[in-house]
Amino acid sequence: AQKVTQAQTEISVVEKEDVTLDCVYETRDTTYYLFWYKQPPSGELVFLIRRNSFDEQNEISGRYSWNFQKSTSSFNFTITASQVVDSAVYFCALSGFNNNDMRFGAGTRLTVKP
Amino acid sequence: DVKVTQSSRYLVKRTGEKVFLECVQDMDHENMFWYRQDPGLGLRLIYFSYDVKMKEKGDIPEGYSVSREKKERFSLILESASTNQTSMYLCASSAGETGTDTQYFGPGTRLTVL
Repeated sequence: AQKVTQAQTEISVVEKEDVTLDCVYETRDTTYYLFWYKQPPSGELVFLIRRNSFDEQNEISGRYSWNFQKSTSSFNFTITASQVVDSAVYFCALSGFNNNDMRFGAGTRLTVKP
Repeated sequence: DVKVTQSSRYLVKRTGEKVFLECVQDMDHENMFWYRQDPGLGLRLIYFSYDVKMKEKGDIPEGYSVSREKKERFSLILESASTNQTSMYLCASSAGETGTDTQYFGPGTRLTVL
């Protein structure tokens, strides 16, 4: 069975601090995909990144970076120099081959204070 | 850009009422999904559809049904609403034939059953 654990329920930081959101997953599949979504107060989940299990290269997109490590089954998300607009709930998700395989973590609520 | 819209942002219904939640996507996606989101539980799949008139149960289908008469529209039906169905409902769509494709979400419907 597939499972995603986001151990941090809530994180609060002050603007300009760096923050890392942890994601640990479990799967028996050799091919799988990992995702991060952002849910701002408006409610809509916004897609941030999709990474397949064969690509362990870290990725950077502006202030966002992702660290994928198969050895520890983790796919952590770092925001550098956080801003108030980063305040949201962030979800990590894991999907296998089938359409009903997608599994979401419980989410981490990030609050960035001015 | 992918656009997924949901008919209502907020809905209040009474126990026993029949409730329809509508979702429309404009990207000609094959797959559509209904999730419910509850605090501490992340998103859980209720039903999904991979083609017109086709549907499959997700993890928590009890008390729900769905309808997909047209490719762009996927409806979630609560036959007899109960208070434990008070939740945030999110619709999503994706393009491909497998679960590895990115799902794009609508803004959500926050349903309260009194």
